Amino acid sequence: EPEVTQTPSHQVTQMGQEVILRCVPISNHLYFYWYRQILGQKVEFLVSFYNNEISEKSEIFDDQFSVERPDGSNFTLKIRSTKLEDSAMYFCASLGQGNTEAFFGQGTRLTVV
Amino acid sequence: DQQVKQNSPSLSVQEGRISILNCDYTNSMFDYFLWYKKYPAEGPTFLISISSIKDKNEDGRFTVFLNKSAKHLSLHIVPSQPGDSAVYFCAARYNFNKFYFGSGTKLNVKP
Repeated sequence: EPEVTQTPSHQVTQMGQEVILRCVPISNHLYFYWYRQILGQKVEFLVSFYNNEISEKSEIFDDQFSVERPDGSNFTLKIRSTKLEDSAMYFCASLGQGNTEAFFGQGTRLTVV
Repeated sequence: DQQVKQNSPSLSVQEGRISILNCDYTNSMFDYFLWYKKYPAEGPTFLISISSIKDKNEDGRFTVFLNKSAKHLSLHIVPSQPGDSAVYFCAARYNFNKFYFGSGTKLNVKP
């Protein structure tokens, strides 16, 4: 069964460092998303991406964040200068044309120290 | 941005009984409502959805009911099994750009 894969599963980084979280969405899907969940809190929307551009972004997705689809398969989230409060599980998701549900990856646990 | 709300943070049910998880929303433009199941340290897994033009959708032990006039949906699990213990998220969308998630309900099914 097709699935969304995310790497790494766990990333530890020092405050102020740049991190890139990687995702391989399901092949042929057209809509891509990043969500995050701070420990014990709700799943928060960060950004959606379609047709090689951002469709919508939340207030969380400030200038420190960027997304890219550098080739036909990867979808990345970059945080330029990490803060302690960026520590969270980051989930990538994708949605196919005509589908109802978005499929989520297993997540990357980002720990900023 | 509390367009989807789950007011019960937790629910405990005996194995074999019915579990009812509730969700309220505010945006009448939502066209699909979904339930996701999530285990710790894993991504949300899609469970069941319902179109806004329906009032019920059933898939095995899982049934979702939609009451548009009340802007309320519920997920029924019958019979509940210990393996159903997880956090359940209600979600809604009105276009492809964004899925709105509730805060989740932690279901504990006791053997």
